[in-house]
Amino acid sequence: ILNVEQSPQSLHVQEGDSTNFTCSFPSSNFYALHWYRWETAKSPEALFVMTLNGDEKKKGRISATLNTKEGYSYLYIKGSQPEDSATYLCALGQNFVFGPGTRLSVLP
Amino acid sequence: EAEVAQSPRYKITEKSQAVAFWCDPISGHATLYWYRQILGQGPELLVQFQDESVVDDSQLPKDRFSAERLKGVDSTLKIQPAELGDSAMYLCASSGGLAGWGSYNEQFFGPGTRLTVL
Repeated sequence: ILNVEQSPQSLHVQEGDSTNFTCSFPSSNFYALHWYRWETAKSPEALFVMTLNGDEKKKGRISATLNTKEGYSYLYIKGSQPEDSATYLCALGQNFVFGPGTRLSVLP
Repeated sequence: EAEVAQSPRYKITEKSQAVAFWCDPISGHATLYWYRQILGQGPELLVQFQDESVVDDSQLPKDRFSAERLKGVDSTLKIQPAELGDSAMYLCASSGGLAGWGSYNEQFFGPGTRLTVL
């Protein structure tokens, strides 16, 4: 069974701070990695699909990098806003194995 | 904008009762997934359909859980009898790709059904 880890489990930052968190996975047999944002009472929303070592994706103030050789992906948020408060999930593999998520709270 | 619909949004039931959740995927999406998310953990795949056929139900507790997608469109997930440990968020997702190519096909999620078993 694919073991996907995320750290930290939760994070509190002040509005305007930049932050980042990690998704870790076994480096062998990498297939693809998905990042999702899940706000309370809403549907999980896809952020990025990453497939190649060295991939860098960006959407507004959010960006992600991928290192398949060492088995990790970073998600960065620049200038955090209260509306960024959510759980950020990564998922890997053909069977979409999710990590436990990082819960981000941005304090105004 | 097309969305995945789920109902009910919240369900409270007593243990040993039967519960059912409904999902209507995005029109035209052949692949449908049911996930269970227990608080503090990531979503766990319960069952995956390609059209009306089950592709993967290896994590579905078949003694009490059943899922169907009779016409290859909407789907129902049933639990009978419900147990205290079934309290969780049940998410439905759909994608337009073929089973086995799931990783490259974005999954679109519904808002989920929050089940509480008393």
